[in-house]
Order: sequence, then structure tokens, then C-alpha cells
Amino acid sequence: SSELTQDPAVSVALGQTVRITCQGDSLRNYYISWYQQKPGQAPVLVNYGENNRPSGIPDRFSGSSSGNTPSLTITGAQAEDEADYYCSSRDSSGNYVVFGGGTKLTVL
Amino acid sequence: QVQLQESGPGLVKPSQTLSLSCTVSGVSISSGGYHWSWIRQHPGKGLEWIGYTYYSGSTYYNPSLKSRVTISIDTSTNQFSLNLNSVTAADTAVYYCARDISVAGTGNFDLWGRGTLVTVSS
Repeated sequence: SSELTQDPAVSVALGQTVRITCQGDSLRNYYISWYQQKPGQAPVLVNYGENNRPSGIPDRFSGSSSGNTPSLTITGAQAEDEADYYCSSRDSSGNYVVFGGGTKLTVL
Repeated sequence: QVQLQESGPGLVKPSQTLSLSCTVSGVSISSGGYHWSWIRQHPGKGLEWIGYTYYSGSTYYNPSLKSRVTISIDTSTNQFSLNLNSVTAADTAVYYCARDISVAGTGNFDLWGRGTLVTVSS
């Protein structure tokens, strides 16, 4: 089982805002990264650290944290945002990288 | 443009060693500043970090695989490699190589290879 917990599935209406969360004890001490993965493709980094977006990632993808629960917010979700989203960070010992189980986002 | 490309056998027999290479183009592995990782994804499942290496040759592995894994780096060919021994059907997965841009290797994978499916079967 993963040390990072994500909701298995989330849905959002086209153009609306959705938040995908990630929970884990290690998140008190380490930053998080977020990845988007579409079927048959490699994951793509969409946000990391203190709300950093790699070049080419739309600004509708933003990262934040409330308490010890980081989240990825998609503001104005588009049909092409339908994908699996994974969080990653360090494990609670700080020794290695762990991924969340993934959240399947459906855009209605 | 920096690219990563996995290569290696797509079929490995049980108990044998899975060997993959990742060719990096567009940046020199020996330039430092990045950790070079292997990550896998079992069919229909989530992502699992296997381990990483640095240009200096230092490595760090997922404890759950540590006894079977070796990751090495070859700066002369700009490649890094994965060896996973004593494989079973549970090692059947898509294997990705990826670049970690975080300073401490904490997992900001900004570039990924396309992935290669490795099936363990007799």
C-alpha cells in the first residue's frame, strides 16, 4: 500500500474547478509533485514544490496546501484534462520517493 | 531538446535478470544537477519508484526492491541502466526512465521516457 493516499476518482463539469488531494504523514515535511497521465502515455509533471509549473503547463493547474493536505487545483477544467493524476513525495522516513495511488479525473 | 529512451528485452524468463538501458540525449549525464531514476507501473496500476543514480555513481533504491536492484550510470555513453534480478511475474510492468530535477532527489520528474513493457513469462 502507498504511504500517500488519494481519492480513487473525482469528476468535474466542463469549465468548473476541481481539487485533487493527497494525504500522508510525510507531507508535513516534504514538498509534493503532481503528475498527469493519459492512457498509453508517460506521466507528465504538472506542478511541484511551492506551486511551480514546468514550461508548457497551463496556468489552470495550481498547487497549494491546507494544513498538511496538499492539493492540485484545476481552474476551468477542459476535456483534455481527463486523466489519472498522481502525487509524489518522500516517504515518512525521508529516504525514498513514494507515489500516491492515483486519482482518475472525469470531465463531464 | 532533452529526451530519454528506454531499451531492452520485452520478455524475460522467471528467475532471470531484467536489464534495461536509458539513453539520454540533449544533455550530458555527467553535467550534474539531476538524479536519473527508474520508475515502473504494473498493468492498470499506479506508479512505483525503483531507484535513482547520480552522475557520481551514487545510488538509492526503494527498500522493497533493494535486494534485487542495481542502477548504474555510464557517462561515456550518456546512459544509465537498470538490472533487476530473480524476476517473477510480479515484475511484469511498464518501466520508465525519468529525470529528477530536485536538488536532493526528492522526486520532481520533469522528463520521462516513453516507457517499455517488460513481461516476465516462460
